[in-house]
Amino acid sequence: NAGVTQTPKFQVLKTGQSMTLQCAQDMNHNSMYWYRQDPGMGLRLIYYSASEGTTDKGEVPNGYNVSRLNKREFSLRLESAAPSQTSVYFCASSDGGASYNEQFFGPGTRLTVL
Amino acid sequence: AQRVTQPEKLLSVFKGAPVELKCNYSYSGSPELFWYVQYSRQRLQLLLRHISRESIKGFTADLNKGETSFHLKKPFAQEEDSAMYYCALSGGTASKLTFGTGTRLQVTL
Repeated sequence: NAGVTQTPKFQVLKTGQSMTLQCAQDMNHNSMYWYRQDPGMGLRLIYYSASEGTTDKGEVPNGYNVSRLNKREFSLRLESAAPSQTSVYFCASSDGGASYNEQFFGPGTRLTVL
Repeated sequence: AQRVTQPEKLLSVFKGAPVELKCNYSYSGSPELFWYVQYSRQRLQLLLRHISRESIKGFTADLNKGETSFHLKKPFAQEEDSAMYYCALSGGTASKLTFGTGTRLQVTL
């Protein structure tokens, strides 16, 4: 099992460009999440999907949109990239439901916006 | 609002010395607390969760509701413990996590 996979691994964008970060999991998990990791700020939740067909905002949703394409896939879209969105993006998944369930993380996408 | 505080950005200890990574939280309900670890060039992964009351790789953490703390401890640090450690809290639905800012543990000879 690959677990949680993310594409691309690296991306450089110019201000104003758009792109979609892809995430897929093969663990049949109900819940999926997108985080951004910035130095000195830890990981912050952008959006999450508690179950297929639902999405909700996290702590820092501005400038992002998400799509839960099916149970396996959860994509993150930047419509008009800004330098403040330079970050490492992590996708994660879990069984959801109970709050003690472990989250499994992908390898991350390092995004630079010039 | 829920909040997790890790006061130390960097903790440097000698091999064999005790380790304590501090974590304090703020949450009005009954939280679930976790420690996640990120080794160099590896994915973020769960180290331990308070509900399991287990010791993983020699690390333990006890939830102290009175002091709202969940400090991570290990009696004797090893070189392979060098990593970034994140304390996290889950207090709502869908297992959403609130992370602290992380502490980098550096174990030197």
